Amino acid sequence: AQSVTQPDIHITVSEGASLELRCNYSYGATPYLFWYVQSPGQGLQLLLKYFSGDTLVQGIKGFEAEFKRSQSSFNLRKPSVHWSDAAEYFCAVGPYNNNDMRFGAGTRLTVKP
Amino acid sequence: EAGVAQSPRYKIIEKRQSVAFWCNPISGHATLYWYQQILGQGPKLLIQFQNNGVVDDSQLPKDRFSAERLKGVDSTLKIQPAKLEDSAVYLCASSLPGTGSGRETQYFGPGTRLLVL
Repeated sequence: AQSVTQPDIHITVSEGASLELRCNYSYGATPYLFWYVQSPGQGLQLLLKYFSGDTLVQGIKGFEAEFKRSQSSFNLRKPSVHWSDAAEYFCAVGPYNNNDMRFGAGTRLTVKP
Repeated sequence: EAGVAQSPRYKIIEKRQSVAFWCNPISGHATLYWYQQILGQGPKLLIQFQNNGVVDDSQLPKDRFSAERLKGVDSTLKIQPAKLEDSAVYLCASSLPGTGSGRETQYFGPGTRLLVL
């Protein structure tokens, strides 16, 4: 069974517009949730993570995400997208075994000028 | 602080050949991971080391894949013989050992892109 679902394979937004990337998960207990970004030819960089506490999490580069237990979601948001945000975004859930996490298939973000 | 280093960055081989990838983690990171990322998919964990011991290799195709981390620092992932379906990006990541709780941030290298013809 898939642990993480990112429903949108590809999203295009205009520069300056707001952004929301969806992530839904299935996990047997309280999950740890992560968003990573991958620029072309680069490794994955952690944007933000949720373990417990405040369900609205602030990350780097102006991103935030909200954990909604009732909807099993952890959507990523940014109020105003910059051209440099064009990349692949991955949601991940864990832990499995020792610090392991499972990734979604990713959402590719294109930013129009 | 230097990040996770990987080499080579690109490799093209023919099926049934062998190939090896190298990873040097961030200094002080006792935990090392190898992931396989097939085009259009998220990374999938192949093997996890804690120092020089294997913590999890449940998703490693052991008939053709092997990995070692002999001195608990750098690591090598080998494929022998390679198949067409092994074409992917192989990512190495490292983290502080922590308690294995899942809270330790993983830091990723740039990956090695493998094409098997």
